[in-house]
Amino acid sequence: GPKVLQIPSHQIIDMGQMVTLNCDPVSNHLYFYWYKQILGQQMEFLVNFYNGKVMEKSKLFKDQFSVERPDGSYFTLKIQPTALEDSAVYFCASSSPTGGVYEQYFGPGTRLTVL
Amino acid sequence: GDSVTQTEGQVALSEEDFLTIHCNYSASGYPALFWYVQYPGEGPQFLFRASRDKEKGSSRGFEATYDKGTTSFHLRKASVQESDSAVYYCALGGTTSSGQKLVFGQGTILKVYL
Repeated sequence: GPKVLQIPSHQIIDMGQMVTLNCDPVSNHLYFYWYKQILGQQMEFLVNFYNGKVMEKSKLFKDQFSVERPDGSYFTLKIQPTALEDSAVYFCASSSPTGGVYEQYFGPGTRLTVL
Repeated sequence: GDSVTQTEGQVALSEEDFLTIHCNYSASGYPALFWYVQYPGEGPQFLFRASRDKEKGSSRGFEATYDKGTTSFHLRKASVQESDSAVYYCALGGTTSSGQKLVFGQGTILKVYL
């Protein structure tokens, strides 16, 4: 089936540094999402993105977070500066507007460890 | 806000056992309901959805029926296999408050033994 790729699979950084998580969504999809999952907890929505704009974001999407997809390349999540509580697995997802609520395709996740 | 509750945190079964994972939701409006499955090292994969009361979703032998009266969408499978071992997530979307995002339950770890 359609695949979403995420790069890197694991990132370790020091608190206060900047990190960029990359997502290669399904090629004909138009909606993009980031979710965050802290170990042992449920997956929580961060943000969704369509037509170059943030459509909706949760309270977890702090001011230090930003997303973009320049010129149809990777859909990225940037955290600057990082904090200890940002340690989690971040899942990217994409979907296509086939009507109703959309079937989202998820990548394998990027495990972010902030030291 | 909208929420999804999965009763079982972990389920251990033998092959050919019957599986039930309970899912209840609380939502404003009329959500669409989903089951996703996650294998080790992968992201969640869409299993199936249901959008209306009494609609049954199914895939790969798994099924669930949308029950608006009991606000439930329980996952069932008649005969599990070892390869079904994974984490199963119930989710909802499509309400006024959830919008296009998915609201996930806590996940249920299914382990199937030979």
